[in-house]
Amino acid sequence: DGGITQSPKYLFRKEGQNVTLSCEQNLNHDAMYWYRQDPGQGLRLIYYSQIVNDFQKGDIAEGYSVSREKKESFPLTVTSAQKNPTAFYLCASSPGTGSFYEQYFGPGTRLTVT
Amino acid sequence: AQRVTQPEKLLSVFKGAPVELKCNYSYSGSPELFWYVQYSRQRLQLLLRHISRESIKGFTADLNKGETSFHLKKPFAQEEDSAMYYCALSGRETSGSRLTFGEGTQLTVNP
Repeated sequence: DGGITQSPKYLFRKEGQNVTLSCEQNLNHDAMYWYRQDPGQGLRLIYYSQIVNDFQKGDIAEGYSVSREKKESFPLTVTSAQKNPTAFYLCASSPGTGSFYEQYFGPGTRLTVT
Repeated sequence: AQRVTQPEKLLSVFKGAPVELKCNYSYSGSPELFWYVQYSRQRLQLLLRHISRESIKGFTADLNKGETSFHLKKPFAQEEDSAMYYCALSGRETSGSRLTFGEGTQLTVNP
């Protein structure tokens, strides 16, 4: 199913390397989000973007970077400064920026750093 | 600051029994509350939102501003309800649609 896609599904990296996770949506949604999902901690917001060429830090932005050069794309870079990068990463989008909008989630990328 | 708490990490019931998944929140303004669900090997998806006041798959949730709660209820649980459930909040006074999630409750419905 299309909508919002993330690639790859699994990603392995050596410690000290930067890695970029892809997120693409064809829903024409304005807003996009990156979350990190850890067991017992729910989802925590890393970065979000409400419009092209603009983004804001979420609750756990340290060690991550993003860009929003196109409406349909919101890649996340996990830098070597992120102390505990091994996690499941979820991308989401929503039609607008109002608080009542539903978010649509991608299938996720599981990153393992050794 | 906004915060969502789901006190039960695991919840197990038998088929046909009532089920209630608890959610409490902390937010000083006007909250929008949601329940999201993740079935095994499926994406996280919206189950229901309080603004719609609807029942989805037999589930309902009532926003209680006095108790700052948004508990999810179903009178007769089914095996296909087994999933991870997340309560989430967004605030009209804060940055639009960004969500704060609870820790999640893993519901298991036994036959």
